[in-house]
Amino acid sequence: EVQLVESGGDLVQPGGSLRLSCAVSGFTVSYNYMSWVRRAPGKGLEWVSILYRSGSAYYAESVKGRFTISRDNSENTLYLQMNSVRVEDTAVYYCARVEIGWYVFGDWGQGTLVTVSS
Amino acid sequence: DIQMTQSPSTLSASVGDRVTITCRASQSISTWLAWYQQKPGKAPELLIYKASRLEYGVPSRFSGSGSGTEFTLTISSLQPDDFATYYCQQYNNYSYTFGQGTKLEIK
Repeated sequence: EVQLVESGGDLVQPGGSLRLSCAVSGFTVSYNYMSWVRRAPGKGLEWVSILYRSGSAYYAESVKGRFTISRDNSENTLYLQMNSVRVEDTAVYYCARVEIGWYVFGDWGQGTLVTVSS
Repeated sequence: DIQMTQSPSTLSASVGDRVTITCRASQSISTWLAWYQQKPGKAPELLIYKASRLEYGVPSRFSGSGSGTEFTLTISSLQPDDFATYYCQQYNNYSYTFGQGTKLEIK
């Protein structure tokens, strides 16, 4: 059974840092395309970042230079390092598996809430 | 970046109705378009990919069409479980964009 379980969401002050984790079971993270998507309160979905099998990573303009996506193959876990966070980064963050060849988000975690506030 | 615009933002309908949601891309995306359903407190679920291909396990009352810049999601006969928020999503050149969402409400 495929499972993606996010953790690490918390209350953080503007300018601070936070690392989100996504523990995966049922498939191998390093063999897949993995992504982070967020939904701010009262807003729609926003793609944040993607990590391809090759190790290449891409980011939305809104987080470029502040967030870093990575994986730990031994732990089968995806990460999102969030630095210099802003109030507008407040959202539920979902990790998702991207269907190779179709570029859609096929499997999702339940999400973890990040609140940026002083 | 490619912008995705959904309409309407909110749609009120009754069980049994046929409804259509539209998604427009700011430039051509061929058929690299997907549709998702999201219910409160839950993760989104993939319904349609490549504009018109039904995801495994999704009821056949859902269908998608379109290419280039204009796309539609149609629900042929609304069921109580279908009242939710729907999003389109495009892929182009290593970047992904969602529409702003359409909330489907019970009339």
